[in-house]
Amino acid sequence: AQTVTQSQPEMSVQEAETVTLSCTYDTSESDYYLFWYKQPPSRQMILVIRQEAYKQQNATENRFSVNFQKAAKSFSLKISDSQLGDAAMYFCAYRSADNDMRFGAGTRLTVKP
Amino acid sequence: KAGVTQTPRYLIKTRGQQVTLSCSPISGHRSVSWYQQTPGQGLQFLFEYFSETQRNKGNFPGRFSGRQFSNSRSEMNVSTLELGDSALYLCASSLVGSRTEAFFGQGTRLTVV
Repeated sequence: AQTVTQSQPEMSVQEAETVTLSCTYDTSESDYYLFWYKQPPSRQMILVIRQEAYKQQNATENRFSVNFQKAAKSFSLKISDSQLGDAAMYFCAYRSADNDMRFGAGTRLTVKP
Repeated sequence: KAGVTQTPRYLIKTRGQQVTLSCSPISGHRSVSWYQQTPGQGLQFLFEYFSETQRNKGNFPGRFSGRQFSNSRSEMNVSTLELGDSALYLCASSLVGSRTEAFFGQGTRLTVV
């Protein structure tokens, strides 16, 4: 089974600064999707960004971008110009060809004013 | 467009009882997945239903079961509740045959006493 590893249980960043959250995964598949979800204290999981494995270009959504290294099975999330509203749990997720989605343990991001 | 709706939001049950949680997916979404979220274990996949059939199942005991109705609404049932079943149960829906993102409900917080 695929596994997703987030090695940083907690991270903090100063407002307006940049932070990178790490994620690695293990798979033998060549076609899959990767996601970063955000879970604020309200607990609603919200999609931040997604990446198709067959696309080499890194996905970008406004202040959020990823560094996708397929060979290294690495999928990090970079948040630029951090805002107080970015404080949340961030989950990296892998979705396989058979629709099975697995999540990492999460990284709690704190944004300091 | 209405999002994923989970009911109830909060539930308190006694050990040994059973509980049923409900999830109404986004209109048009026929795939519904369930996850258990706990501080110690993170997000764990329970099962996925598509067209009233269970397609994938996580590593949970048989006390955890689910079903999906013809209108794609899904229920999960936990019998003989244990203290360790206390968790946030999240439901997610997604489009048919798509490996795009899953949309999550706000979850049901189950407390077993």
